[in-house]
Amino acid sequence: QKEVEQNSGPLSVPEGAIASLNCTYSDRGSQSFFWYRQYSGKSPELIMSIYSNGDKEDGRFTAQLNKASQYVSLLIRDSQPSDSATYLCAGRPTSGGYNKLIFGAGTRLAVHP
Amino acid sequence: GAVVSQHPSWVICKSGTSVKIECRSLDFQATTMFWYRQFPKQSLMLMATSNEGSKATYEQGVEKDKFLINHASLTLSTLTVTSAHPEDSSFYICSARDGQDYEQYFGPGTRLTVT
Repeated sequence: QKEVEQNSGPLSVPEGAIASLNCTYSDRGSQSFFWYRQYSGKSPELIMSIYSNGDKEDGRFTAQLNKASQYVSLLIRDSQPSDSATYLCAGRPTSGGYNKLIFGAGTRLAVHP
Repeated sequence: GAVVSQHPSWVICKSGTSVKIECRSLDFQATTMFWYRQFPKQSLMLMATSNEGSKATYEQGVEKDKFLINHASLTLSTLTVTSAHPEDSSFYICSARDGQDYEQYFGPGTRLTVT
């Protein structure tokens, strides 16, 4: 069973701080990873995708991928209360249906003023 | 770009009836669409993957005769919950894959309540 693991949280950070969200995966051959944000009662929204080792930056968000360690992270700089949500990490498996994504259970982030 | 719509956004039905939920990709052609279910405070659960013009692939434990999926065109997939029961009450969310990319774009979801 291919798995994506996340700490459920909540991760509580003060406004303006850097929030660091982490994810590990078991499928060593997995090449593509995605971060989604889900507000309470809403559907997930794609934040970033990352395919290569290293960092990828988009505004206040930086995704990091380390394939050797099977580790993906999302950094949110200058966190705002509006960033409070559940963040889902997802990876594309190498078997069992390569079109689909395997989602982690999500980490709940709470940014307090 | 990459907008996915769902209809209805919420529905209440009586036990034993059937409910159809539509998922549309508005500004792209979706060769593959996915249907998820999410119970309160739980993670997304993939129910099935549907490819345009072919039968859906259901995840283990999902009853294909109860959750009928049709992907008749590159912009429309439907999920029909047949003979609904209160335990089917959940948040149903579709997503669509945009051609070559592996990103999935989610619809806003349909909240189903079976009384």
